[in-house]
Amino acid sequence: EVQLQQSGPELRRPGSSVKLSCKASGYSITDYLMHWVKHRPEHGLEWIGWIDPEDGETKYAQKFQSKATLTADTSSNTAYMQLSSLTSEDTATYFCASGDRRYFDYWGQGVMVTVSS
Amino acid sequence: DIRMTQSPASLSASLGETVNIECLASEDIYSDLAWYQQKPGKSPQLLIYNANSLQNGVPSRFSGSGSGTQYSLKINSLQSEDVATYFCQQYNNYTFGSGTKLEIK
Repeated sequence: EVQLQQSGPELRRPGSSVKLSCKASGYSITDYLMHWVKHRPEHGLEWIGWIDPEDGETKYAQKFQSKATLTADTSSNTAYMQLSSLTSEDTATYFCASGDRRYFDYWGQGVMVTVSS
Repeated sequence: DIRMTQSPASLSASLGETVNIECLASEDIYSDLAWYQQKPGKSPQLLIYNANSLQNGVPSRFSGSGSGTQYSLKINSLQSEDVATYFCQQYNNYTFGSGTKLEIK
């Protein structure tokens, strides 16, 4: 059974950074892309980017180019997303989701990131 | 970027009814569309891909249709377990619809 287990909720100060993890089980992360999606109730879902864990290739949505950095560790079957220079606009739930270049087959449970002083 | 306009924002229907949810793309997306279901407190689940292909394990009462800029998700014989938020997603730049919250009347 494919599962994506994300790390726990985070509370950060403005200007700091956070690194979120997404551990896959039931398949090798090199078999699919790993996408990251941001959800804020008033803004809906926004795609952040994807990483191909097999070769490290990444693609980002333009608005997240300087905000997010996607990496993957094939030895631990885990994908990561680092968010930098956090502001209140980064307060959201973040999902990892495996898939191809079209849609998302499996989603993690989501992780809440709160940015507050 | 392609924009997806989803309607209605919320929907209340009776058990056994048929419901339709619509997504309108700002330009032709050539059936490059997926539908997801997110039950309360759960992560999203893929229902439909390529506008009308049913994902493995999804009940056949769910179906997708459409072409060009107009797409719809149909749920036949509404069940209590279908209470969820549904949203569409187009492939080109992964834009999502705003979601439809489905409740049982």
